[in-house]
Amino acid sequence: GDSVTQMEGPVTLSEEAFLTINCTYTATGYPSLFWYVQYPGEGLQLLLKATKADDKGSNKGFEATYRKETTSFHLEKGSVQVSDSAVYFCALRIYNQGGKLIFGQGTELSVKP
Amino acid sequence: DAGITQSPRHKVTETGTPVTLRCHQTENHRYMYWYRQDPGHGLRLIHYSYGVKDTDKGEVSDGYSVSRSKTEDFLLTLESATSSQTSVYFCAISESEVAGHEQYFGPGTRLTVT
Repeated sequence: GDSVTQMEGPVTLSEEAFLTINCTYTATGYPSLFWYVQYPGEGLQLLLKATKADDKGSNKGFEATYRKETTSFHLEKGSVQVSDSAVYFCALRIYNQGGKLIFGQGTELSVKP
Repeated sequence: DAGITQSPRHKVTETGTPVTLRCHQTENHRYMYWYRQDPGHGLRLIHYSYGVKDTDKGEVSDGYSVSRSKTEDFLLTLESATSSQTSVYFCAISESEVAGHEQYFGPGTRLTVT
């Protein structure tokens, strides 16, 4: 079945460090890919998305490229801030079953000053 | 921010009691979803709706039922709550099931079953 696998957390970085959170997927169809972020005590917010191969999604300094050949959608940021501390979810969506999202398990990021 | 509210935001209940969670949207989106969030599992779909009175099951639907009598409201009912249903529940909405359309999430309901 369709699935998403993310690197395990928690990830702890110092401010201004480079961030990579790995995400790989398995899908029978042709999915769209998403990164959502969850700040403490809040719901999920869309961070970025990509809808076809080689698309790059970007927002707030975060980037991810849809790599069909490696079935990956890794999240990167060049210089993290304390305010980036949150849980990050990789997800895929395919055009069936009502367009449900299939999520990875989430990666907690903690950024220290 | 998308207009999605969930009620209650927190609830503690006893095993065996019925519980209903409400999701309300002001965006007039056709699709609505209920997910549960558990450590190590991310979010998993319980049920979804593709229109008034049109619903279908997700991957973890056992012990849950839903109803949608109006476009704006989607109710999730735990028929007889169990401790395994202790979780955080999120409602989401989307205007389309097309893969590229995003889903917007509510603030969540934290449910504890004792």
